[in-house]
Amino acid sequence: GQNIDQPTEMTATEGAIVQINCTYQTSGFNGLFWYQQHAGEAPTFLSYNVLDGLEEKGRFSSFLSRSKGYSYLLLKELQMKDSASYLCAVRAAPSGTDKLIFGTGTRLQVFP
Amino acid sequence: DTEVTQTPKHLVMGMTNKKSLKCEQHMGHRAMYWYKQKAKKPPELMFVYSYEKLSINESVPSRFSPECPNSSLLNLHLHALQPEDSALYLCASSQDRASVGDREQFFGPGTRLTVL
Repeated sequence: GQNIDQPTEMTATEGAIVQINCTYQTSGFNGLFWYQQHAGEAPTFLSYNVLDGLEEKGRFSSFLSRSKGYSYLLLKELQMKDSASYLCAVRAAPSGTDKLIFGTGTRLQVFP
Repeated sequence: DTEVTQTPKHLVMGMTNKKSLKCEQHMGHRAMYWYKQKAKKPPELMFVYSYEKLSINESVPSRFSPECPNSSLLNLHLHALQPEDSALYLCASSQDRASVGDREQFFGPGTRLTVL
């Protein structure tokens, strides 16, 4: 079966660093994505990992360990606008398509 | 143009109505997707079109009928829906599998559907 787990909710303070973990067990693997979704809005792409290691993009970094089925999203210098849901998604790769399987999402609340 | 557009933004319909949701992209993407998202839940894949052909149907009830008239357009026809079908319906697109790189999915703003 397909299983992607994330913490349901997290809180943090403005200016702090927060790490959102994601563990996955999927029948195929062809990359892991992190999306940000503000309430009532569409998900927006944050990062992509297909090889082990850390990818850094400004205040956001994402890490992948394929052998452990584990990823995390690191958010630095938190801002109030970072309050949103963060979705981990694995691209399983059945023949011919890019099927994304989303985790349950982590609702992050940033306090002043 | 890196945008996926969806119309309408909001839709209220009765259980006997027939309506359609529309999605459009002009990024040259050859894969397009429909997702359903309930409140505080992740998006759930419904359909995938690849090169205008239906490649995945996630056992979606036949009251939802997708259509891909051309490479830029994706429709979702709705008929005899139930109140539990009320949700945010998201369209997304991505490059085809022959492309290298991230091939992330770009999402539209969604249609908020309420079935009375």
